[in-house]
Amino acid sequence: EPEVTQTPSHQVTQMGQEVILRCVPISNHLYFYWYRQILGQKVEFLVSFYNNEISEKSEIFDDQFSVERPDGSNFTLKIRSTKLEDSAMYFCASSPPLLDRGWNQPQHFGDGTRLSIL
Amino acid sequence: DQQVKQNSPSLSVQEGRISILNCDYTNSMFDYFLWYKKYPAEGPTFLISISSIKDKNEDGRFTVFLNKSAKHLSLHIVPSQPGDSAVYFCAATVASNTGKLIFGQGTTLQVKP
Repeated sequence: EPEVTQTPSHQVTQMGQEVILRCVPISNHLYFYWYRQILGQKVEFLVSFYNNEISEKSEIFDDQFSVERPDGSNFTLKIRSTKLEDSAMYFCASSPPLLDRGWNQPQHFGDGTRLSIL
Repeated sequence: DQQVKQNSPSLSVQEGRISILNCDYTNSMFDYFLWYKKYPAEGPTFLISISSIKDKNEDGRFTVFLNKSAKHLSLHIVPSQPGDSAVYFCAATVASNTGKLIFGQGTTLQVKP
């Protein structure tokens, strides 16, 4: 069964450094997402991406964050200047084209990247 | 932001019995609901979903019930198996929107042999 793949599985970075988290969504999917889960907290939405542009972003997704789909397969999340509070699990998700009208298609998640900021 | 709540952090059941996981929501705009299962060191795995035009959806051992008037949904697993032991997340979205999922806090299910 096709799956969403994320690399690296664990990233350790010094505070203030830039970090890029990489994702390869499922090949025929059109909608792409990033979520994060701080230890002990809920899974939180960061950003959704469709047709090569951001369709929605949360308050967490400030100017330090950006997303890109540089080619037909990769979907990346960049944090320009990391802070201690960016330490979390970051999950990429994708979902297929719409069924008829609406978004009745589940999102499929990767196994996440654990980001540790020192 | 408490739009989706799972009030039971944990649940323990005997193998073969029914597991019932509950979820409440406050946003009446939500019209598509999903359950995900998560093992340690893995991402959430989609289990089952339900649209607000239905009140029940069944897939094998898993059934989701939706009570729109009470803004409540539940996941029934029967019979429960030890391999079902995991964290279960309820999530909700507005289907005509960007697909953003709002998650509950999760319920840790332990199925004892």
